Amino acid sequence: DAKTTQPTSMDCAEGRAANLPCNHSTISGNEYVYWYRQIHSQGPQYIIHGLKNNETNEMASLIITEDRKSSTLILPHATLRDTAVYYCIVRVKEKTSYDKVIFGPGTSLSVIP
Amino acid sequence: GAVVSQHPSRVICKSGTSVKIECRSLDFQATTMFWYRQFPKKSLMLMATSNEGSKATYEQGVEKDKFLINHASLTLSTLTVTSAHPEDSSFYICSARGQGRTEAFFGQGTRLTVV
Repeated sequence: DAKTTQPTSMDCAEGRAANLPCNHSTISGNEYVYWYRQIHSQGPQYIIHGLKNNETNEMASLIITEDRKSSTLILPHATLRDTAVYYCIVRVKEKTSYDKVIFGPGTSLSVIP
Repeated sequence: GAVVSQHPSRVICKSGTSVKIECRSLDFQATTMFWYRQFPKKSLMLMATSNEGSKATYEQGVEKDKFLINHASLTLSTLTVTSAHPEDSSFYICSARGQGRTEAFFGQGTRLTVV
């Protein structure tokens, strides 16, 4: 299983871009990088995912390095409502073909007024 | 994004009783559903994975007779915590993924308190 490493916590000023890094140096060629976030006492929310190209949607941008060993989630203009734990996940494929979503500890992002 | 509804959002039960939690995909057919539990200030821990019409696959250390999972249709999965004890108190979260999709969508979670 490819594992991910994220900083435990980060602060970001409101209105600024929040850049959340993730290392996944053992990622396999057919594994995707996913990002989810969890606001306190709620279920996780899907943000974005990618394979090797950079991706953008209405929530965020995902930048994946050319060697795919790391990625960065960018929230372009952080608001107080973006305060949450952000999880970087690499899709795990088992021999049974059940694709699991396994969570690491994530990064606790605090957006500061 | 797709909508996954989990019910109830909060439940308190007496020790020794059983509690059923429902997870529904509202606008897509969920071929695979996942159940997680989360303790305070901890990450989500996968309990089991189920495909519609098949028996659930449980993670190591999770008692299948304690946590009964039924995925009887493409829009509904249930988790029953049998003979609940205070140590079963936790935040339970379901997730669903549609056929051909790679992303999973999550319910809002159920806070179970066993007294």
